[in-house]
Amino acid sequence: KQEVTQIPAALSVPEGENLVLNCSFTDSAIYNLQWFRQDPGKGLTSLLLIQSSQREQTSGRLNASLDKSSGRSTLYIAASQPGDSATYLCAVRTGANSKLTFGKGITLSVRP
Amino acid sequence: NAGVTQTPKFQVLKTGQSMTLQCAQDMNHEYMSWYRQDPGMGLRLIHYSVGAGITDQGEVPNGYNVSRSTTEDFPLRLLSAAPSQTSVYFCASSYISQGGYTFGSGTRLTVV
Repeated sequence: KQEVTQIPAALSVPEGENLVLNCSFTDSAIYNLQWFRQDPGKGLTSLLLIQSSQREQTSGRLNASLDKSSGRSTLYIAASQPGDSATYLCAVRTGANSKLTFGKGITLSVRP
Repeated sequence: NAGVTQTPKFQVLKTGQSMTLQCAQDMNHEYMSWYRQDPGMGLRLIHYSVGAGITDQGEVPNGYNVSRSTTEDFPLRLLSAAPSQTSVYFCASSYISQGGYTFGSGTRLTVV
């Protein structure tokens, strides 16, 4: 059974800091990995999708990497801003027809 | 494109009442699924569908029914609501081949 872990559960950083959010998964036979952002009381917004054949994806100040062999992904946020404060969820898909398995998320607070 | 549309956004039910949560997508996605999100438990899969006429159970299916008569719609039915079903419900869809999920904005359900 696939398990996804995100540690720590919460993180507080000063504005401007570059930061890395970690995600680990137990079954390396994944189809893809997706990072989401969730603001309080809101839905999930997809940030980056990495297919199993890819090593990284970039969007603006965000960069996500994938190392299937070690069962790890990182989300790098450059020059963090207070508007980046949210919960960041990592999810892996094992097989084309199978479900997403989610981590419990990292709640990020960026202090002005 | 509207993406994934969920209705209603909020609902209060009395124990024993029934209701249907609606989900519609306009992206011609084959795969649709329902998740519930609870504090400390993360997102858990309730039911999913890989196409019209095909549904299957996820991790927490008890107390919920689904059907998929069209590609666009995937309603979730609560037959006899219980306080344990108080949660935030998310509908999601994706192409099977590309695999990136799109989520609706959620339905916040309270059962009293």
